[in-house]
Order: sequence, then structure tokens, then C-alpha cells
Amino acid sequence: KNQVEQSPQSLIILEGKNCTLQCNYTVSPFSNLRWYKQDTGRGPVSLTIMTFSENTKSNGRYTATLDADTKQSSLHITASQLSDSASYICVVRLKAAGNKLTFGGGTRVLVKP
Amino acid sequence: NAGVTQTPKFQVLKTGQSMTLQCAQDMNHEYMSWYRQDPGMGLRLIHYSVGAGITDQGEVPNGYNVSRSTTEDFPLRLLSAAPSQTSVYFCASLSTAMNTEAFFGQGTRLTVV
Repeated sequence: KNQVEQSPQSLIILEGKNCTLQCNYTVSPFSNLRWYKQDTGRGPVSLTIMTFSENTKSNGRYTATLDADTKQSSLHITASQLSDSASYICVVRLKAAGNKLTFGGGTRVLVKP
Repeated sequence: NAGVTQTPKFQVLKTGQSMTLQCAQDMNHEYMSWYRQDPGMGLRLIHYSVGAGITDQGEVPNGYNVSRSTTEDFPLRLLSAAPSQTSVYFCASLSTAMNTEAFFGQGTRLTVV
């Protein structure tokens, strides 16, 4: 069983609309949780980072939240653009274990005009 | 500043052939790792290294070898390619400093026929 679960697996939204992606994790203790954006045919690129003590972090139209008690994180995309079409991956970095990263399966977002 | 350079971008192998995927980083990162990404699944760790001369297995190491003779380079060797190794491979590097992000190569799309 994957220790980082993401939902939905995919979604289609219209340009200009908002959407929220979910990430539930069981790994602990963790150093931080990052959301990465992966464009088709490219490697993942970091969008936001959340440490254990943080609740919310914004990066332009992307806002990430973290609830360490329930071990849930979300990524909210505001006023979506066509360029937001990509996979969004939730990644947990463990505090020990040689800095290993644990990846969620990703949510594939398609923004339609 | 090249970041993480991964080659080749595409490769087709016949079953039983061997090859090496190259990965180099110029950020002086201690931690480097190889992942494979299969459709509908998260990135899975093949092998990783926490410094020159030190390597360790990830969750799916069978059929792959690695070495880390320098801080910059971390090649991945397929000893005898099998169709089950058809996948997209990503190399990543990461500083061991807290809360730093991982940087990924562009990926190698490998097909074994």
C-alpha cells in the first residue's frame, strides 16, 4: 500500500475555474511535504513546500495546506490556465532514512478552454 | 547552471541487451537517486546514493546496478534488459540540508522489445 495517496487520479476543469487536489500520507516522521508539478515529458518541478509546523503556503495561484494531525494536504489551483495542465505530485521527505522521498501517484489535471 | 543532466532522452533496447543511463549534477548535492515511473503509478525508487562511494537499494532494485565514483555522476546500468523494464526513468539530486528541494533530470523513456 502506497504511503502517500492522492485523489482524484485525474480531473478535467474549464479554464478560469478552481480545483483542489488531495494528498493523504501515513509516513512519519516527516521533514517536509512538497507539491511538484510535472509537465508531460519533463521531470517534476517543486511548487510549494510545507514543513510540519506550517498550515498554508501560497505560490501565485497555487495554495497548499497541511493538517499534520489528520496527515492530509491539499493543493488549490485558483483561476486555472491552460498551462496548468500537468500532473501534480505530492512528495513526503522523511526526517531519517537517508532523505528518502515518498511519492504519491499524482493527479493528472487537464484544463480545457 | 545545468542542474541535473540526464541522457539519453529516448532509448529502445532488445531483450538481453545492456546499457547505461547517465546522470550528472553540478549543484554539489550529496544525495542522488534513480526512479522509474510507470503509467498510473508514482515514482518508485530504484537505487540511491548519499555520497561518493556510497550506494544503496531502493524499493525496486532488481535488474539495475549503480555506482557513485564522484559527487557529480550517478549512472544507472541495466545488466540484461527485460520488457518489464520498459518505463520512464528519472534521476534526481538533493541537498541533505533541511527543506531543500529535489531537482530532476528530463527523464529517459526506455522501451525494451
